[in-house]
Amino acid sequence: QQQVKQSPQSLIVQKGGISIINCAYENTAFDYFPWYQQFPGKGPALLIAIRPDVSEKKEGRFTISFNKSAKQFSLHIMDSQPGDSATYFCAARIMDTGRRALTFGSGTRLQVQP
Amino acid sequence: EAGVAQSPRYKIIEKRQSVAFWCNPISGHATLYWYQQILGQGPKLLIQFQNNGVVDDSQLPKDRFSAERLKGVDSTLKIQPAKLEDSAVYLCASSPLKGPRGGELFFGEGSRLTVL
Repeated sequence: QQQVKQSPQSLIVQKGGISIINCAYENTAFDYFPWYQQFPGKGPALLIAIRPDVSEKKEGRFTISFNKSAKQFSLHIMDSQPGDSATYFCAARIMDTGRRALTFGSGTRLQVQP
Repeated sequence: EAGVAQSPRYKIIEKRQSVAFWCNPISGHATLYWYQQILGQGPKLLIQFQNNGVVDDSQLPKDRFSAERLKGVDSTLKIQPAKLEDSAVYLCASSPLKGPRGGELFFGEGSRLTVL
């Protein structure tokens, strides 16, 4: 019930291409879906987030698509750049008695080739 | 604005030894989290504090792990005795309760533990 399943495990994209990472969840009580970006030796940092009342959110080259009925959401990186090479984690949160801890997916290692 | 500070950055110990990690959250952040990130996996919550009270420690292996947050600011995470499977990066995160970034987690760079 608490799991968030992420795919693919790794992804290689050419510079200028589109990177797509998918996540699926089971628990309909999740109410907040962020994506975090992590560079080697650093902690994860928030990239973009969406709530279930919205089907899409775009910030610059990054877009989250959210499908509530399918319980899936995805991250699209347009015009991918070598600087986007990092590990990406989807996550979800339940607003339950004040708990706001995130449940993370297993991560996708993105490599953008120049 | 200073970020979340963690120390030490790296620690190597023998199994059955003890280790402690320290975290100083962003000033004013009421909520503090400790996550364990095993190589190749996503972060897994160990414990969540709000001010100096525990909100969720359901996934903390309490037979060997302990954590405290004195005066609602700094926090320490202790492992005693360590096992090989405790080798991981221990991430501390903090979060404001309210405001435009309320609920957003801000992570430190982590403390990498190797148990031999």
